[in-house]
Amino acid sequence: DSGVTQTPKHLITATGQRVTLRCSPRSGDLSVYWYQQSLDQGLQFLIQYYNGEERAKGNILERFSAQQFPDLHSELNLSSLELGDSALYFCASSVEVGGGSEQFFGPGTRLTVL
Amino acid sequence: GENVEQHPSTLSVQEGDSAVIKCTYSDSASNYFPWYKQELGKRPQLIIDIRSNVGEKKDQRIAVTLNKTAKHFSLHITETQPEDSAVYFCAASRNQAGTALIFGKGTTLSVSS
Repeated sequence: DSGVTQTPKHLITATGQRVTLRCSPRSGDLSVYWYQQSLDQGLQFLIQYYNGEERAKGNILERFSAQQFPDLHSELNLSSLELGDSALYFCASSVEVGGGSEQFFGPGTRLTVL
Repeated sequence: GENVEQHPSTLSVQEGDSAVIKCTYSDSASNYFPWYKQELGKRPQLIIDIRSNVGEKKDQRIAVTLNKTAKHFSLHITETQPEDSAVYFCAASRNQAGTALIFGKGTTLSVSS
């Protein structure tokens, strides 16, 4: 157990819908990262928050957004869902603001868009 | 931005053999290079990492080597065991605010007994 929690574990929804994925980092970690993992794309970095502020942005679609709350938990919002958004979404947390320290991954949320 | 290429995409070895996975990166300012192992249905976990001021690092049966001039780094697993079967990801980062880990696409290692 990495200490990072994610809910829900599984999510099945229809095209055009909106979902929210939730992540709680390890105690003491200020950075939260979101990744999308699909079969042929490996781990794609989406976005990073550090202590409530967005700090780095990767290949995140405009239909996706995220935020980090004062208690440091983070939410990833996915809207106007398409079939291609079906994937495993991981969040990870670390102590540092930069990418130069171990990231601890949560168990992931498997999103299926029908 | 950073781009990480990883080879091979699949690797099959016999138990007891060695396995080598190679990665190249594009950003010469990258200075942190971790390797993650992801078992089927589980989360990625860090197995070893190396920083640019070090050329090689070992931890029991695994080692990582870094060639900054050529911008490539490799994971070496010796005396492979069936439990080494997993997907391995390399990654690179500048380790500064505003940057993030960029991962390779992964190598599926299968160790047969």
